[in-house]
Amino acid sequence: AQRVTQPEKLLSVFKGAPVELKCNYSYSGSPELFWYVQYSRQRLQLLLRHISRESIKGFTADLNKGETSFHLKKPFAQEEDSAMYYCALVEGNKLVFGAGTILRVKS
Amino acid sequence: GAGVSQTPSNKVTEKGKYVELRCDPISGHTALYWYRQSLGQGPEFLIYFQGTGAADDSGLPNDRFFAVRPEGSVSTLKIQRTERGDSAVYLCASSLTLTGQDEQFFGPGTRLTVL
Repeated sequence: AQRVTQPEKLLSVFKGAPVELKCNYSYSGSPELFWYVQYSRQRLQLLLRHISRESIKGFTADLNKGETSFHLKKPFAQEEDSAMYYCALVEGNKLVFGAGTILRVKS
Repeated sequence: GAGVSQTPSNKVTEKGKYVELRCDPISGHTALYWYRQSLGQGPEFLIYFQGTGAADDSGLPNDRFFAVRPEGSVSTLKIQRTERGDSAVYLCASSLTLTGQDEQFFGPGTRLTVL
């Protein structure tokens, strides 16, 4: 079975500091990877997907097949980035999620 | 437009009872998914539908769980003889088509508590 590992349950940074949320995966083939985010009292929503190679809210994620990683990065964290972040890959047509990382941005 | 809606938002039941959880997908979305999220975990796949048919039900934990989508729109997740281990947030999502690359839009979830 395919797996997604997010090794950190909680990441706490100061406002303006760089952020890297780690995601490692195991997948036989070319993976389709996503980052989903859940802000307080809101529903789970797509943040970005690797195939579109876009930057959303200043976040980027690069697929590294050699290291089987898809880390989420932002150069300068903002308080409104505080949320739960889930890395997910597509298996068949369903999503396989990691356990999530809470990002806390302190002022 | 309206997003995915789920009812009820909270459900408390006693062990052994039967429960139904409802999902209204975004209008026009042909694919509908159910996930279950236990405390401290990411969502775990249960079942998805393409139209009226269950295309993949491999995530249903046992035969106490069943889901239907009779008219290709609203779906109901049914749990018989509930157990305390069924307590979780049940999430529904829909996407325009059934391809892995399509964004899945999630509902707010139903929090099920089995006493």
